[in-house]
Order: sequence, then C-alpha cells, then structure tokens
Amino acid sequence: DAGITQSPRHKVTETGTPVTLRCHQTENHRYMYWYRQDPGHGLRLIHYSYGVKDTDKGEVSDGYSVSRSKTEDFLLTLESATSSQTSVYFCAISAELSYEQYFGPGTRLTVT
Amino acid sequence: RKEVEQDPGPFNVPEGATVAFNCTYSNSASQSFFWYRQDCRKEPKLLMSVYSSGNEDGRFTAQLNRASQYISLLIRDSKLSDSATYLCVVNRDSNYQLIWGAGTKLIIKP
Repeated sequence: DAGITQSPRHKVTETGTPVTLRCHQTENHRYMYWYRQDPGHGLRLIHYSYGVKDTDKGEVSDGYSVSRSKTEDFLLTLESATSSQTSVYFCAISAELSYEQYFGPGTRLTVT
Repeated sequence: RKEVEQDPGPFNVPEGATVAFNCTYSNSASQSFFWYRQDCRKEPKLLMSVYSSGNEDGRFTAQLNRASQYISLLIRDSKLSDSATYLCVVNRDSNYQLIWGAGTKLIIKP
C-alpha cells in the first residue's frame, strides 16, 4: 500500500469553526489531491497540488483552502465549517506522468 | 448529463456467476481509463487500468469502446470477496485530473 496517512480520521465540529485536515505521504510523489465523497456523487475534487506551494482549485473549492509547504504534507482547511461540508474527505497522490492515484484512508467529518 | 455515468445497482449475483458493468463518459478527449474498487467505509483502490485493446487480469477483463464512449468491466467466477462498489474513472485533461463515476454496487451472494 502507498504510504499515505490522514489525520484526524474522524472529527465532529460545530458550524462556524475552522477545521484543518492533514494528508501526509512518504512516496515523494509530486501530485496531491483532496476529494470529498458524498452519497450519490462520484469523488469530487476540491483542490490539488502539483508541487510545493503550487496548488489549484478543483470543481468544488468554495469554502476550502489548501497549503503545501513540504512535498510530503498537504493541508485542507475549512475556514468556517458549514453543515454542507459534512462528508468523507480523501487525500490522494500520483507520480509524475501518471494518472493513477492512490488514496489515504479518509477523514469522516461531521459539522453539527 | 454527468461526465461519467454508471448504473448504481446494486447488482445481486450468486457466487461463481459472471457479472458485467458498463460505464459511459462524455469527454471524447479522455485518454486514460481506470476501474477502482471501494469497500464499504474504505478508500478507493486501483483495480486495473483500461487499455484500448482491452486487458485482462485474472478473473477481471476491462474493455474500452472509444466510438461509443463506454468502458466495461467483466468479472468471471465471482467470489464473495468481490462484493464492493466499482468506480469508473476517466481523465479530464492533461493536468492529471480525474473524473469519477458514482459507482456500481456489487453484492455476491453465497
């Protein structure tokens, strides 16, 4: 299995609070991604990174920000959590010149 | 119309049977295609890539039809452990973004 960890694995938070999710990889892959998964939807891309300090928006980026200060770490921040951000969040990585993505175990976030 | 469409199922199939899923995609420029497997409350895992000429990996066969823009996955001699949701995935463009189908749920019954 690819060396990808996510923390926390579960979190319950209140509406309006900031939340940061962490993704850590040991594969030294260039590309990292944050997705959310909701019933009835495919995985939807929130943000992705193509290198240290290089990030771009995905299809559902509103309300989320990201940072990547080291190759191995990609942080996802919900500045002010809303109930619509209750979801399962997955981090993924891929190597240069490859579309194959490998996933972390996910974070279950509940916003009450 | 969704960019990648799959029948959500569930497909209830007896153990040992053959089952096939199809997936259609809308972006004619897509060049890379995959099937992922996702067990309940787990992360997606790459099952196999799909090549233009079709490819096989043990009991699993994947095929691509570019003219009709669909991908298929065939599972032969199904096992109880094949029970999972199967996700169809295609690339969006050249910056390594992928488009994910919502998945087809497969339940293998003894």
